[in-house]
Amino acid sequence: NAGVTQTPKFQVLKTGQSMTLQCAQDMNHNSMYWYRQDPGMGLRLIYYSASEGTTDKGEVPNGYNVSRLNKREFSLRLESAAPSQTSVYFCASSHPGLGTEAFFGQGTRLTVV
Amino acid sequence: GESVGLHLPTLSVQEGDNSIINCAYSNSASDYFIWYKQESGKGPQFIIDIRSNMDKRQGQRVTVLLNKTVKHLSLQIAATQPGDSAVYFCAEERGTSYGKLTFGQGTILTVHP
Repeated sequence: NAGVTQTPKFQVLKTGQSMTLQCAQDMNHNSMYWYRQDPGMGLRLIYYSASEGTTDKGEVPNGYNVSRLNKREFSLRLESAAPSQTSVYFCASSHPGLGTEAFFGQGTRLTVV
Repeated sequence: GESVGLHLPTLSVQEGDNSIINCAYSNSASDYFIWYKQESGKGPQFIIDIRSNMDKRQGQRVTVLLNKTVKHLSLQIAATQPGDSAVYFCAEERGTSYGKLTFGQGTILTVHP
């Protein structure tokens, strides 16, 4: 049971380049999330998808787009990368409802130069 | 603004000691609190949770205490082991924001043999 799988694990981009971070979960969870983690800080929610076919903005959505491709997959796209988007990105999934445990992927370390 | 934060950014203890990690929150509407452990290079891992209608919950070697009067949350780790060394985050979930977690800054716990 792989849980939440993110690809790639590491990526270096030049300013202005675009890329898509992939996330897949095999736990049949309805809800999926993208967080970013900056040095010395907790995780901040970028976008989330409460269920297949729906997406909503989180705390820091600017500069990102998401696609809930199906129940398993939730991708995060940077259309024009900026140095401020250098961060570690985590995907997570959970069952819907209050108080359900969120499971996190291993993270994608992105550097924008 | 409303936030979840930690009193101490670092904590060093000797193996076998008990550890206490603290967290303050400011939103009285928070319904659910979670402690996550994050080891270097990994995603956050669920440790223990507590709902706002409880004031104490125990797990294996860990106890979470919730004081709603002063909006304070703590994680107690008994007989701390070197494998407990990690960054610990408290997170809150609000009743109207199912699954969307707001994370605190994090506390670095270092356990010395």
